[in-house]
Amino acid sequence: EAEVAQSPRYKITEKSQAVAFWCDPISGHATLYWYRQILGQGPELLVQFQDESVVDDSQLPKDRFSAERLKGVDSTLKIQPAELGDSAMYLCASSFQVAGVIDTQYFGPGTRLTVL
Amino acid sequence: SQQGEEDPQALSIQEGENATMNCSYKTSINNLQWYRQNSGRGLVHLILIRSNEREKHSGRLRVTLDTSKKSSSLLITASRAADTASYFCATRGSSNTGKLIFGQGTTLQVKP
Repeated sequence: EAEVAQSPRYKITEKSQAVAFWCDPISGHATLYWYRQILGQGPELLVQFQDESVVDDSQLPKDRFSAERLKGVDSTLKIQPAELGDSAMYLCASSFQVAGVIDTQYFGPGTRLTVL
Repeated sequence: SQQGEEDPQALSIQEGENATMNCSYKTSINNLQWYRQNSGRGLVHLILIRSNEREKHSGRLRVTLDTSKKSSSLLITASRAADTASYFCATRGSSNTGKLIFGQGTTLQVKP
């Protein structure tokens, strides 16, 4: 069964350093999402791509976070510089769109970020 | 910002018992979905109920939706130890753009 791939699974960094996360969605899924999940809370959308275009980045802290999906397939989320409050699980999800209707979201295993 | 509130925050039951989790939301929706998350892992989609549906079943899962009260419930019947996980409701707004807003989740522990 096809899955969303993410790497790394775990990342420990010091504050002020740069970190990057990678996501490879399920083949054929045009929509890709990055979520941040703080321990004990539900995921919160950071950015949504439709192919290579950003359709929603209203909750992305743009002073330090950036996301790209250059060829409309895999995606990278970057934080520079990392802050203590960025410690969280970063989840990638993808979904298939049929006739303008976006289907179920499929999640990857996540990257657990710890900022020291 | 999170739309949903889930109740209870934590639930502990014995294997074989039923588990009921509730979700309330604030704005009008296109559909409501339930997801499961095992500790330290990604989320797995369980079931989707559309705004014009009132009840839906999938195996041991039963979901109800009351749009007048802006609330939903997830019932897991004959629970198993493997059902131990966090359960989240997520709502999609009327525009159906795909953005999901998740609740805080209910942590379910099923004791063998």
